[in-house]
Amino acid sequence: DTEVTQTPKHLVMGMTNKKSLKCEQHMGHRAMYWYKQKAKKPPELMFVYSYEKLSINESVPSRFSPECPNSSLLNLHLHALQPEDSALYLCASSQVGAKKETQYFGPGTRLLVL
Amino acid sequence: GESVGLHLPTLSVQEGDNSIINCAYSNSASDYFIWYKQESGKGPQFIIDIRSNMDKRQGQRVTVLLNKTVKHLSLQIAATQPGDSAVYFCAENKGNTGKLIFGQGTTLQVKP
Repeated sequence: DTEVTQTPKHLVMGMTNKKSLKCEQHMGHRAMYWYKQKAKKPPELMFVYSYEKLSINESVPSRFSPECPNSSLLNLHLHALQPEDSALYLCASSQVGAKKETQYFGPGTRLLVL
Repeated sequence: GESVGLHLPTLSVQEGDNSIINCAYSNSASDYFIWYKQESGKGPQFIIDIRSNMDKRQGQRVTVLLNKTVKHLSLQIAATQPGDSAVYFCAENKGNTGKLIFGQGTTLQVKP
């Protein structure tokens, strides 16, 4: 099973709202990732968690706050977003240890900020 | 700088024909490459990967070729079907950080 699940599928929020995106995997992977993807563009890495610890933050604005409560779950907390943050947010997971580990992606959450 | 790029943004093929999607990379130290397929409204789906100690790898109806001399990667899809219509991304797995560098993507359109 190579399934990564994400909820919700769609989210509409105002600039003053607080919302969270959720990601879950049961493949025993110990690395999890958040990506942002704009229309007709490749995914852009935002955060990497390795063994539940944040290992990479690609200079993402603080209005995005990641959290990894355990090895299977990854959250992305959103607060005071801007309309330009509207995008598809993708979660991925992989094994840790070798540099050649494949990342498996979830279906994404399509976010619209009004 | 490092980059992974695709030669053509769009490729249109007839159903039943073979498709070839190309990708060029600039980092000669890269040693692991992945092809993803992304259908409309979905996340990227792993298709096939290849390590630098290989020059060819085959899957079901797909073949990936790696030419390290010219830093070129290609994905061949045999007997292309309408369900193959999607955006195809090549990606380089960068070192031990887990960072994936994606190409810009090629849209494959299959004509019935």
